[in-house]
Amino acid sequence: DTEVTQTPKHLVMGMTNKKSLKCEQHMGHRAMYWYKQKAKKPPELMFVYSYEKLSINESVPSRFSPECPNSSLLNLHLHALQPEDSALYLCASSRGGARVEPQHFGDGTRLSIL
Amino acid sequence: TQLLEQSPQFLSIQEGENLTVYCNSSSVFSSLQWYRQEPGEGPVLLVTVVTGGEVKKLKRLTFQFGDARKDSSLHITAAQPGDTGLYLCAGPNNAGNMLTFGGGTRLMVKP
Repeated sequence: DTEVTQTPKHLVMGMTNKKSLKCEQHMGHRAMYWYKQKAKKPPELMFVYSYEKLSINESVPSRFSPECPNSSLLNLHLHALQPEDSALYLCASSRGGARVEPQHFGDGTRLSIL
Repeated sequence: TQLLEQSPQFLSIQEGENLTVYCNSSSVFSSLQWYRQEPGEGPVLLVTVVTGGEVKKLKRLTFQFGDARKDSSLHITAAQPGDTGLYLCAGPNNAGNMLTFGGGTRLMVKP
């Protein structure tokens, strides 16, 4: 069982809907990440939170809005998505600090935009 | 920009065969990580190599970090269907605040 929990596992939404993806970890990690992964491709980094502050935004469109309510939770708010946003969205966490540590991934949310 | 290139991109072999997957870069990395991702799941860390020339073994998997820390390889002995998955190498960027992933090697082991 993964130590990073993502909900929901699957999500189908229309282009006008608003939904949120959730990620939770209780390993005391202080760095959390959102990735987007298309079929047969590696994960692409979207956002990095370090000590609950947004430290990296990889030029992600504003229709994706991340939020880190506390050190254990990470959300990704979705609004007015496009069909090309359909993908597997992965959350990951690591210990944080000055060096990039190995990352623990959740099993992802598979998102389909109609 | 530090890039990691993996080869081959896809490999289909029979159970019992040996294989090697390569991860190459023109840049020096302080460390490299290898992950395996199975269908419907997130990537799982297999190993981290830190020292140039380092060799690490995980059961039938042998990982090597190049002497110059620009490349790494993963060798699987007597592959099994359970080894099927996407193998990803990844390394920290120069700023040390994110991982750069290789393009992945998709392995299929047929019984």
